[in-house]
Amino acid sequence: AQSVTQLDSHVSVSEGTPVLLRCNYSSSYSPSLFWYVQHPNKGLQLLLKYTSAATLVKGINGFEAEFKKSETSFHLTKPSAHMSDAAEYFCVVGPSFSGGYNKLIFGAGTRLAVHP
Amino acid sequence: ETGVTQTPRHLVMGMTNKKSLKCEQHLGHNAMYWYKQSAKKPLELMFVYNFKEQTENNSVPSRFSPECPNSSHLFLHLHTLQPEDSALYLCASSQGLAGGGGANVLTFGAGSRLTVL
Repeated sequence: AQSVTQLDSHVSVSEGTPVLLRCNYSSSYSPSLFWYVQHPNKGLQLLLKYTSAATLVKGINGFEAEFKKSETSFHLTKPSAHMSDAAEYFCVVGPSFSGGYNKLIFGAGTRLAVHP
Repeated sequence: ETGVTQTPRHLVMGMTNKKSLKCEQHLGHNAMYWYKQSAKKPLELMFVYNFKEQTENNSVPSRFSPECPNSSHLFLHLHTLQPEDSALYLCASSQGLAGGGGANVLTFGAGSRLTVL
């Protein structure tokens, strides 16, 4: 069975400071992992995905995430927050990329607020 | 625009009404999905269609009836809904089944905000 936990429901940062959104997962095999972002009144947009190649994954808008198997974590980071980063972020776990189809499991979301 | 278009964007209906949500994708994808997003709850998968065939019904009440006439169009027919069905309904598509071999990822529409009075 798989599960995903986003450790913070809300994160607030000042513009120009680093962003850290935390995600832990549970999986009985090497999973696929994703981060999606949802801006107000919009659908979810893929930020980045872990494909079992490089453990440090770079995404759009300066975001990156590091897969740490020993810690079962896939935290999302950005060196410097921008006002336009204010949104809700979802960590998602899925099956191994070499495996068959299975349902994606979405985290509960982390709402990021960015203050001037 | 993501290539996945949902209409209407907002819908208000009474419990006895019948309405439909429409989703259209212009990405050449073969799989389409309905998700329900409620406040303070994780995204809930409702239905999955792969090459027009339903492959997943996640124990959804029969007052929600999906229809997939082809790989580009997906409908969600609504009848005798309850106030707790008020939510944002998201349509998504992927090249193959999401998460499967080949790293198929979901492309979402902007959603249809449903309010049931």
